[in-house]
Amino acid sequence: QKEVEQNSGPLSVPEGAIASLNCTYSDRGSQSFFWYRQYSGKSPELIMFIYSNGDKEDGRFTAQLNKASQYVSLLIRDSQPSDSATYLCAFIEQHNYGQNFVFGPGTRLSVLP
Amino acid sequence: ETGVTQTPRHLVMGMTNKKSLKCEQHLGHNAMYWYKQSAKKPLELMFVYNFKEQTENNSVPSRFSPECPNSSHLFLHLHTLQPEDSALYLCASSQDLAAGRLSSTDTQYFGPGTRLTVL
Repeated sequence: QKEVEQNSGPLSVPEGAIASLNCTYSDRGSQSFFWYRQYSGKSPELIMFIYSNGDKEDGRFTAQLNKASQYVSLLIRDSQPSDSATYLCAFIEQHNYGQNFVFGPGTRLSVLP
Repeated sequence: ETGVTQTPRHLVMGMTNKKSLKCEQHLGHNAMYWYKQSAKKPLELMFVYNFKEQTENNSVPSRFSPECPNSSHLFLHLHTLQPEDSALYLCASSQDLAAGRLSSTDTQYFGPGTRLTVL
């Protein structure tokens, strides 16, 4: 059973601080990783994807991937109260018939004003 | 309309009712998915359709029956549900790639979901 593990939180950070969200995965064959943000009662929306080792930056968000350690993280700089949400990590599981997305349980982030 | 749409957005039904959830994607994708999201639980994949063929069924009870008449439409038919089936049901679509590298657009796009309550 291929899995994604995340700390369920809640992770509380003060406004303006850096929030660090972590994710580990079990499938060594995974190539592509995604971070989704989900506000309460809403559907998930994509924040970033990464498939190369190292860092990928997009505005206040930085995704970090380490395939050897099977670890992917998301850093949010200058955290805002509007960043308070559940963050889902996911990877693609490839099959002969096509692909499937495997999601972690999510980490709830709370940014305190 | 753009993106992925779902109807109805909210549904309350009794255990003996029959209802259907509808999903439509306007993105030209060839793969569609049904997920169940219960409170404080991870997203649970229910069904996957690649190129209109059902390719995944994660031991979902037979009271849930999917239908994919074409690559743009996906239905979830419900009958004799249980109260524990109350959850947010999310539809998603993606462009399934047999090979090749992903680009920033090759991901899953979710619909707004149907909040289902079974009494």
